[in-house]
This record gives sequence, structure tokens and C-alpha cells, in this order.
Amino acid sequence: KAGVTQTPRYLIKTRGQQVTLSCSPISGHRSVSWYQQTPGQGLQFLFEYFSETQRNKGNFPGRFSGRQFSNSRSEMNVSTLELGDSALYLCASSQGDDTGELFFGEGSRLTVL
Amino acid sequence: AQKVTQAQTEISVVEKEDVTLDCVYETRDTTYYLFWYKQPPSGELVFLIRRNSFDEQNEISGRYSWNFQKSTSCFNFTITASQVVDSAVYFCALSEPNYGGSQGNLIFGKGTKLSVKP
Repeated sequence: KAGVTQTPRYLIKTRGQQVTLSCSPISGHRSVSWYQQTPGQGLQFLFEYFSETQRNKGNFPGRFSGRQFSNSRSEMNVSTLELGDSALYLCASSQGDDTGELFFGEGSRLTVL
Repeated sequence: AQKVTQAQTEISVVEKEDVTLDCVYETRDTTYYLFWYKQPPSGELVFLIRRNSFDEQNEISGRYSWNFQKSTSCFNFTITASQVVDSAVYFCALSEPNYGGSQGNLIFGKGTKLSVKP
């Protein structure tokens, strides 16, 4: 069974640009969550999508957005990049019910110069 | 507010030593879930265990064991006879059931970096 796939794995952008990250969940999983990991703030929840609807949202500015497609693949977008957006962005998929386990991808490492 | 505290930032042990990673959580809810994840250098978080707030039984899985003490809000993780392959960052996390029963919103501690030296 293929795991959670995130692309790209590494990318470098400059301030003011925007970026789109992609996540393909495990087949059959309907929930995709996104997390930001930085040395200072640790792992922070961005948002969760379930059946193409945003079901839960963390405390991030509106520059961070996401969407989910009918095949459960998800994208997140960050507009007007700031230096502080440099982070590892992790995607996790799950059944979306109370069975509990999240399966994480290896992340997309974004560097903003 | 919900919060997870992992007071140990880094721990270094020699192979075959036992090591306990501490986790203290705060929540006002009576129903919640606790997790431990392992993050090797490759970056992905690997699920280790999930425990709900009504199940205070300790659990053992091979060299891993977990001690859940609801009275002190602790969910500690012990590795017995540590091995070099156990070197990683370990995260404790808290999730509360919300609308839709989502498990996608986890509150993570800052993690404990474990180094096991040969």
C-alpha cells in the first residue's frame, strides 16, 4: 500500500512569491491534514480537509489556504511568502473517523529567502 | 486551553540502557486521545500508540511501554534496552474529539530528541 506522498520535497522561494504544495493520501483515506514544523514553534496544525470540505482550521493567517479534490488529493497554498514561512510542511492522511491513526508523509521543506 | 509539555529537550543514552520520555498534558475535556509519534531524520512522523482518556491501562509493545496516569495528566513512554535505531525525535500529542470525530487536529509537544550511542 503506497504511503502519503508529498511533492515537491524541497523548494526555495523568495519573499513575496507564492507556493503550492501537493499531498496524495493513502488510497481510501478521505481526510488530509496539514502541519507546519519549525524549530521555534514546533508542529502546528494548519487545517484538515474531509471529503473536499475544510473541517478544521488552525490559527494561521489567511495567506495559508488549502483545498481537497474529489480523489482526496490535497494542495496547500501560501501566498506572499515571508521569511518566517520557512518550514517543513507535513501532510497526514486518515480515514477521518475515530479510528485515530494519522499517516504522515515525509514533508515538503520550504526555504524562503 | 490544550497543551502538551515535553520537558526533556534532548536525552542521550548508551545502547541497552532504558530511557523514559516524559509527557504532561493539559485539557479541560473529559474525552480526549493521546498519541506518541517518532520522527526519524527522514522527516515523516511514525505513529507509535493512541490511547483514549477512558483507557488507563498501561501498554507494552516489544521494547516499548507506555504509562498513562490520568490523575497527574502524564503519558510517559519507556524504551527498554535502547538501540541505535531508536535515535529520533519523539513527539507526544493530544487530540480532542470535535465535530465529525476528526483526528486530524493534533496538539503536539515540542518533542524530545533521543540519541542512542553504541
